[in-house]
Parts: sequence; structure tokens; C-alpha cells
Amino acid sequence: GAGVSQSPSNKVTEKGKDVELRCDPISGHTALYWYRQRLGQGLEFLIYFQGNSAPDKSGLPSDRFSAERTGESVSTLTIQRTQQEDSAVYLCASSLAQAPTYGYTFGSGTRLTVV
Amino acid sequence: SQQGEEDPQALSIQEGENATMNCSYKTSINNLQWYRQNSGRGLVHLILIRSNEREKHSGRLRVTLDTSKKSSSLLITASRAADTASYFCATVGSSASKIIFGSGTRLSIRP
Repeated sequence: GAGVSQSPSNKVTEKGKDVELRCDPISGHTALYWYRQRLGQGLEFLIYFQGNSAPDKSGLPSDRFSAERTGESVSTLTIQRTQQEDSAVYLCASSLAQAPTYGYTFGSGTRLTVV
Repeated sequence: SQQGEEDPQALSIQEGENATMNCSYKTSINNLQWYRQNSGRGLVHLILIRSNEREKHSGRLRVTLDTSKKSSSLLITASRAADTASYFCATVGSSASKIIFGSGTRLSIRP
């Protein structure tokens, strides 16, 4: 597609439920990133995929968080047993390669609210 | 942990004035980027400056980089109401793959 697409755009879930967030990167972009942004704060790195290499999971805050990506296509971020502190906007970005010349393209994010 | 820290956290100026935001970082970088975010959703890439560059221009934007001080500044000249947004610096480490964002500067342009 023309841009990075994320779905759903908004998600309200009950505490304790599992949620799955989806990111469709730009076709051909080998690198894909997930970030979390709490209200009024900066972006917190979660996980990074680069081609078929092992993902960099160093930013995942707990074992309730996991992410998958098949090849260079869609990625899903799963949060199990959601807690209220998981409420945030989850942003996905993709790029052609590591340290690209033209920056990273972000999706519009998924706003997750845990009630 | 966050690599970049922006200063100031918030800035309010009159339309037509220049806005300057600063970013400091801690470790060596491959490049540094500035992004704008409207309404707390997707970020828009503004400009990228490599570690071997000292200054870069793009329209009304001017970015400087001082690797000896590990700092960068973003200057927006002749500000407009539409420039109201949050601005983030982001660093890509010299050997790392991920980009690390600062906490951002909230810029408000008064008409």
C-alpha cells in the first residue's frame, strides 16, 4: 500500500482480555518497528523486525507482550491479560533498511483503552 | 530508556516568530531525525541529518548537529499556526538498528 496501515484505529477492551493489533507496512520495507506512546509522553520502543533476522525484543515491557511478523509483511502485536497501564497509542513504523536515508514512515496508530 | 531529550518541553510563540527546539543524546549515532506529531497519532518525518553533517535545511526548517556536544537543534522560521504540534528528535545508533525517540517539545503558535 501507499502508507503504513494499522488496525483497528481504536480499541476498547476490558481488563484481563487479550488484544491483537495489526500493522501492514509499506510494500518492500524490510524493517518494522512497534512503539508505545502514553498520553502526553514520548515514544517507547517495543520491538524491531529486520527481514528474516531474529527480532530485537528488548523493549517489550513484560511477557504479556509479544509480536510476530511473517517475512516482510504484516505484523501483529499481542497483549495478553491487558492491564489499565497498557492504555496507550501503539504506533507502527516501517523503513526500507536499517538507518535509512529518508526516515521512517509511521502508521496512524491504534489507540488502546483498557477499562 | 530514551536516548534523546528535548528542550524545552513546551514552547509558545507568536505567529511569524522563529521557534528553536533542542535535543541532547547520550551515545554515538549514525543519524538524527526530527519528526512532527499532530493530535497524538502518527508521526511525520521532517528531516534527517547524518553524523558527518553539521547543518541541513529543508524549506523553513534548519537542523544543526554537534556530535562533540551530542546535541541537535531544530529551527522553524517564520512560524505559522499550522506548525502547532509536538516535535520529537530520534537517534539511530552507530551500531544499533532501532530508533530511539526523545520526550518531545510541544509547540504552540499564537495567532
